[in-house]
Amino acid sequence: DVKVTQSSRYLVKRTGEKVFLECVQDMDHENMFWYRQDPGLGLRLIYFSYDVKMKEKGDIPEGYSVSREKKERFSLILESASTNQTSMYLCASILGKGGELFFGSGTQLSVL
Amino acid sequence: RKEVEQDPGPFNVPEGATVAFNCTYSNSASQSFFWYRQDCRKEPKLLMSVYSSGNEDGRFTAQLNRASQYISLLIRDSKLSDSATYLCVVINDYKLSFGAGTTVTVRA
Repeated sequence: DVKVTQSSRYLVKRTGEKVFLECVQDMDHENMFWYRQDPGLGLRLIYFSYDVKMKEKGDIPEGYSVSREKKERFSLILESASTNQTSMYLCASILGKGGELFFGSGTQLSVL
Repeated sequence: RKEVEQDPGPFNVPEGATVAFNCTYSNSASQSFFWYRQDCRKEPKLLMSVYSSGNEDGRFTAQLNRASQYISLLIRDSKLSDSATYLCVVINDYKLSFGAGTTVTVRA
């Protein structure tokens, strides 16, 4: 069974903390994505990566960075967490350009 | 203008009813289209792909209208278990764009 695993289901952090969200996929997919989902706004793309060490900005990259040192792992970093980054974060991966997108179960991040 | 727009609903329908809703996209070069289903507090999961010729999967029918740049989803004989948020996904090269979702609630 294919799997995208996010390291934490719930996370509570303080303003100004550095936050790491980890995502691992076991399907040998080239492409990986980080989205945030907020009520009424849907899923918004933060960053994506189509290969190891490659990264591309999505629609809302400000305040975030990413790391992809290995094919199976794509990390999202909040350098200095702020309250407006409280959200559900979803990692996803896809084999090619038009295949099925597989999601992790999400991390609900609260920044206090 | 948003790249992908959906009527947020909610569509509140009785069991057995037919419900249909659309999703419009702005980029005419978009290549692939999908419908995803998301249950409350869960991750989205693929419901079905949308092909140019239209396709059916049981009680679900998806259509693509390239000329008017929209895709549609129709659910026949609605079940209580169909209650969910339905997200359309439009792919252009490596970029996947999501609609904000259409909420469907099926009542007994």
